[in-house]
Amino acid sequence: DIVMTQSPDSLTVSLGERATINCKSGQSVLYTSNNKNYIAWYQQKPGQAPKLLIYWASTRESGVPDRFSGSGSGTDFTLTISTLQPEDVAVYYCQQYYSTSWTFGQGTTLEIK
Amino acid sequence: IQLVQSGPEVKKPGTSVRVSCKASGFTSLDSVIQWVRQARGQRLEWIGLIVVGSGDTNCAQKFQDRVTITRDTSTSTAYMELSSLRSEDTAMYFCAWGVAPWGQGTLVTVSS
Repeated sequence: DIVMTQSPDSLTVSLGERATINCKSGQSVLYTSNNKNYIAWYQQKPGQAPKLLIYWASTRESGVPDRFSGSGSGTDFTLTISTLQPEDVAVYYCQQYYSTSWTFGQGTTLEIK
Repeated sequence: IQLVQSGPEVKKPGTSVRVSCKASGFTSLDSVIQWVRQARGQRLEWIGLIVVGSGDTNCAQKFQDRVTITRDTSTSTAYMELSSLRSEDTAMYFCAWGVAPWGQGTLVTVSS
């Protein structure tokens, strides 16, 4: 299975500041035939199902605020929240869907300073 | 697409549970349904997936001998059955259509 490692495990950021979460895969998740990275980012709040933010590593899901962005290729990926809002407090997960066995990162808890 | 899962379950150790996930709206046979679980306060854990059209499945190695994932295309419903339940299987179980949307979750409690 492809191991997904997120960093940091937890993050405290001031309102209006930038938050950056990293995700590293144990092998490349770039499918060269279509040049797509098979990475999704989710936001999960307590008592809720995960919500898709980003897919194909950098494509924002419809309705997701544009302060959320994804970047990276191959094995290293980043989720950036440009100006942190109170409603962004949550746990964030990356997931690879490149292999036949999909895997998640361990999650990053984002809090407000 | 909307996914609606079956209701909460309470099971005894050693028994099995089957969770359903019904899709409504436009559904494509090219897609997959994944199953994920989350124990209280813990991380998301991937269980397995099924290709909607072919019925092909793949499961995480941890669950390979205990989980069966099926689908019924006539009712647009997917099923995840977990056998030989133990207390550590107590968790919220989610289905998702590919990476989105997700079902609301089904709480499975294993207790004697």
